[in-house]
Amino acid sequence: AQKITQTQPGMFVQEKEAVTLDCTYDTSDPSYGLFWYKQPSSGEMIFLIYQGSYDQQNATEGRYSLNFQKARKSANLVISASQLGDSAMYFCAMGSHNAGGTSYGKLTFGQGTILTVHP
Amino acid sequence: DGGITQSPKYLFRKEGQNVTLSCEQNLNHDAMYWYRQDPGQGLRLIYYSQIVNDFQKGDIAEGYSVSREKKESFPLTVTSAQKNPTAFYLCASRTGVAEAFFGQGTRLTVV
Repeated sequence: AQKITQTQPGMFVQEKEAVTLDCTYDTSDPSYGLFWYKQPSSGEMIFLIYQGSYDQQNATEGRYSLNFQKARKSANLVISASQLGDSAMYFCAMGSHNAGGTSYGKLTFGQGTILTVHP
Repeated sequence: DGGITQSPKYLFRKEGQNVTLSCEQNLNHDAMYWYRQDPGQGLRLIYYSQIVNDFQKGDIAEGYSVSREKKESFPLTVTSAQKNPTAFYLCASRTGVAEAFFGQGTRLTVV
């Protein structure tokens, strides 16, 4: 069974500062992917970044980076140089896949962290 | 443009009524998912399907039903057995190990 835990219900950060959103996961699958999504108040889900379990390098996408520590089963999202538009709910998610690159099973989400960026 | 479309955006249901939420994708994705989101909460999986004519229950399937007769379509029916259906419903699709694409969501309210 998969489980995603986000222990920070809310986080505050000053504009232009960096912030880390925590995510820990649990799975018995040998191969999996970890995702982060942003959900503004409009409700849309915006994909931010992906990390494969066998990727050697931590993923980065612009101001977003994923601090992947496989032994600790953590996949924290780091947002650098926060902007007012970063204020939103952030979700960590996990999906399993086989060695052939086919996903299977559930795509499981955490409870989310509400990020508020102060000017 | 390729994408995933949910309709309607807003839906009102009377007590004891079944309603169906539509989800269509033209991304040629194999897997499709339905999630429920309550205010300020995370996404909870209702049903998912990885191939036509096959689907599995998620964590909160009671009171819901789905079908997957075509690859492009994965409608969700909220039955009268679902006692507290007021929520935001999100449909997603995915292929391979890539990220899931989401629709814009349907807000269902019981009146």
